[in-house]
Amino acid sequence: DIQMSQSPSSLSASVGDRVTITCRASQSISTYLNWYQQKPGKAPMLLIYAASILQSGVPSRFSGSGSGTDFTLTISSLQPEDFATYYCQQSYNTLRTFGQGTKVEIK
Amino acid sequence: QVQLQESGPGLVKPSGTLSLTCAVSGASISNSNWCSWVRQPPGKGLEWIGEIYHSGSTNYTPSLKSRVTISVDKSKNQLSLKLSSVTAADTAVYYCAREEALTGRPLGIWGPGTKVTVSS
Repeated sequence: DIQMSQSPSSLSASVGDRVTITCRASQSISTYLNWYQQKPGKAPMLLIYAASILQSGVPSRFSGSGSGTDFTLTISSLQPEDFATYYCQQSYNTLRTFGQGTKVEIK
Repeated sequence: QVQLQESGPGLVKPSGTLSLTCAVSGASISNSNWCSWVRQPPGKGLEWIGEIYHSGSTNYTPSLKSRVTISVDKSKNQLSLKLSSVTAADTAVYYCAREEALTGRPLGIWGPGTKVTVSS
């Protein structure tokens, strides 16, 4: 199995802050890396696919980068609606795996 | 637009079988890409359970493979999940999700989820 690890597990930030979340794969996954946002009581929502492509309708303050084993999700200016948990997920092989999640909380 | 809706018993007894369905609307499951089941225990992260293609081909996560069956019913335009020999550890919100025909094979459409509690 390909293991995915995210850091940090949680962070506190203020509105307007730049936030960066990292995701590391246990082996190279090329750019088969997707990011999801989940708000309490709701289903996850796709933010970014193929490491850096913004899903339609997602604000441009979200961006993704990386390839191989190391990836980042950046929120350029945190907005009140961005407080949520973020998950990375690999689709490189037939067994998809998620990172453990990063909870973004209000400072 | 394509929508997914999970349904099934909210309470299952220990050692029993959890059975859920995911109804697909707005598109034919016969033309869909892989559809996955994902679960989330209370207060915890997402766990991918497995996936099925409209042809019936399946992939399962190794830790659950011996207990899981995912199937598709084209006549009803739905997919199903069965998980046998359940314990309290299987208590979770269960989601179905559809892979989008995009680079990276992301899960682009999700159902709202259905909560399942394993308890006597």
